[in-house]
Amino acid sequence: AQTVTQSQPEMSVQEAETVTLSCTYDTSESNYYLFWYKQPPSRQMILVIRQEAYKQQNATENRFSVNFQKAAKSFSLKISDSQLGDTAMYFCAFMKSANFGNEKLTFGTGTRLTIIP
Amino acid sequence: GAGVSQSPRYKVAKRGQDVALRCDPISGHVSLFWYQQALGQGPEFLTYFQNEAQLDKSGLPSDRFFAERPEGSVSTLKIQRTQQEDSAVYLCASSFTGVWGYTFGSGTRLTVV
Repeated sequence: AQTVTQSQPEMSVQEAETVTLSCTYDTSESNYYLFWYKQPPSRQMILVIRQEAYKQQNATENRFSVNFQKAAKSFSLKISDSQLGDTAMYFCAFMKSANFGNEKLTFGTGTRLTIIP
Repeated sequence: GAGVSQSPRYKVAKRGQDVALRCDPISGHVSLFWYQQALGQGPEFLTYFQNEAQLDKSGLPSDRFFAERPEGSVSTLKIQRTQQEDSAVYLCASSFTGVWGYTFGSGTRLTVV
């Protein structure tokens, strides 16, 4: 079974600064996918960024980037130039390589991020 | 529709009551998932449909939980004889293929009193 650990229950940062959220995972799989989701108070989970384990290049989406260290089983999220709208819960999630019937996500416990004006 | 729609948004049930939670996925999305999110926790997998076939129900916590998707579109999660420990947010998500990430609905917050 896979496990996902987020060791920072809460973080806060000043607006416009950079913040890094940590995530580690445990798996015996060699191919898999990793995701960061954002959950604002509206409760809707929003996909922030995804990473395919067989790709060494770190994924980037505008102000969001990841540091994927496969050997260390680490998948941290960096938010640059943080904005007030980034305030939310952030969840790291793991998915085994796609086989139909096997697309479920395993989530961490989340990090509550607050951007301070 | 443009997104995943869940109803009701809030549900208060008396202990022992049956409830039905509805999910209307994005049109054309083959895969549909239900997750349970307890307060302060990450979502936990309940069940997965590919079209009308329920391919994985390993996360359903007891036989009081039942899900269906009879025509491969709208899905209903039913909880019989609700208990206090069933209080949680129930999230539905759909995708064409899950490896690109799902689209989630806003969830139903169930409170059992």
